[in-house]
Formats: sequence, C-alpha cells, structure tokens
Amino acid sequence: DSGVTQTPKHLITATGQRVTLRCSPRSGDLSVYWYQQSLDQGLQFLIQYYNGEERAKGNILERFSAQQFPDLHSELNLSSLELGDSALYFCASSVVGSGPPYEQYFGPGTRLTVT
Amino acid sequence: AQKITQTQPGMFVQEKEAVTLDCTYDTSDPSYGLFWYKQPSSGEMIFLIYQGSYDQQNATEGRYSLNFQKARKSANLVISASQLGDSAMYFCAMRPRARSGNTPLVFGKGTRLSVIA
Repeated sequence: DSGVTQTPKHLITATGQRVTLRCSPRSGDLSVYWYQQSLDQGLQFLIQYYNGEERAKGNILERFSAQQFPDLHSELNLSSLELGDSALYFCASSVVGSGPPYEQYFGPGTRLTVT
Repeated sequence: AQKITQTQPGMFVQEKEAVTLDCTYDTSDPSYGLFWYKQPSSGEMIFLIYQGSYDQQNATEGRYSLNFQKARKSANLVISASQLGDSAMYFCAMRPRARSGNTPLVFGKGTRLSVIA
C-alpha cells in the first residue's frame, strides 16, 4: 500500500458527461501529480499541484481541470467526455525534503470507461 | 524535451535466471534522475529503483540493479534470480533536475516481462 488513495476505483459513464476523480496524497506530501495511462499514449503527465497551487501542466486537455484543496487532497474534473478519454488515471504524491530520489508514490488508479 | 525509449515491448525469462530490460533516454539537462517502476496486472505502480545522474555508483536494491552508462544515455534494469511474481510491465522514467523533487516524471512505453516456470 503506497499510502495514496484514489476514489472511485472504477467509473463507467457516457459520452458528454462530467466526472470527478479524487485523490488523497500520503500524509505530509505536498505535491500531487495526475497521470493518464492509455493503450495508445502510454503514461502521460497531466498536471501537478504543490501545496494548493498549480505547479506544472502537461498534456492536459482544456476539458480537464484539477485543484488541490487546503487539506491537500486533489480532484481531477473531466468534462464533455469522449470515448478516447477512457483510460487509467493515476494520482501520485511525493515529498519535497532532504534529498533525492523524491520518488513518486502512486495511488491504485481510477479506471474510467466512457461508453 | 526529455524522452525515454524502451525498445523491448515484451521479454521472456526463465525462472531463477537474470534478465536485463533496456532503457535509453534523451535530455539536455545536466542533472536528472532515472527511475524504474513495476506495474503488475493489478494495475498499481510500484517504485523499484533510482539512479541520479551524478551518482558515482550504479544503484542496487535487493534483486534489482541499474546498469547506468551515462555516455551512452542508458539505464538498463537488471533483475537477478527472476521469480514468477516478477511478471509485470516495467517502466523506465526520468525526472529532469534531479535535485529538485518537484518535477513530473517522463515515462517510456514499458516492457512486459513474463517469467516462465
């Protein structure tokens, strides 16, 4: 168990809908990363938050947005869903402290299926 | 831009044998970190091993070791004494600016390792 929790584990929804994925980082970790894993694109970085503020943006669509709350949990909002958004969405957290490796600990993922 | 290349989509290894999973990378950053993660069929991502670009020695963690050749820009993972539980997808990843913990990872496409009894 990495200590990172994600809910829900599975999500099935229809095209055009909106969903929210939730992530709680490990205790004490200030950085939260969101990644998307699909068969054709592999593992891609979407967005990062650090202590409540957006830190970096990757290949995140305009239909997607995220935020990190004062208690450090994060939510990824996906709207106007398309079939191609079906993927495994990971949240990861890392500590920024005394030195490398600063490995990222991944949650179990949310498997999104858009029908 | 950073790029990770894993040229082996799939590998087979006999139980108790050693196996090497290839990883090459491209970056213009003078300082970077290289990671290997394991993804079993259950889907979770498990951190295995880390190598910093300025580390003088190759990293080792139990049965995992990293064959780091900086001039060749390669960071191959060696698994010794393979076990059936090693069957999984393995991802090589890089983080630029190794001494900054606050940057996202760039992943390769992965290698699926199958261990045969």
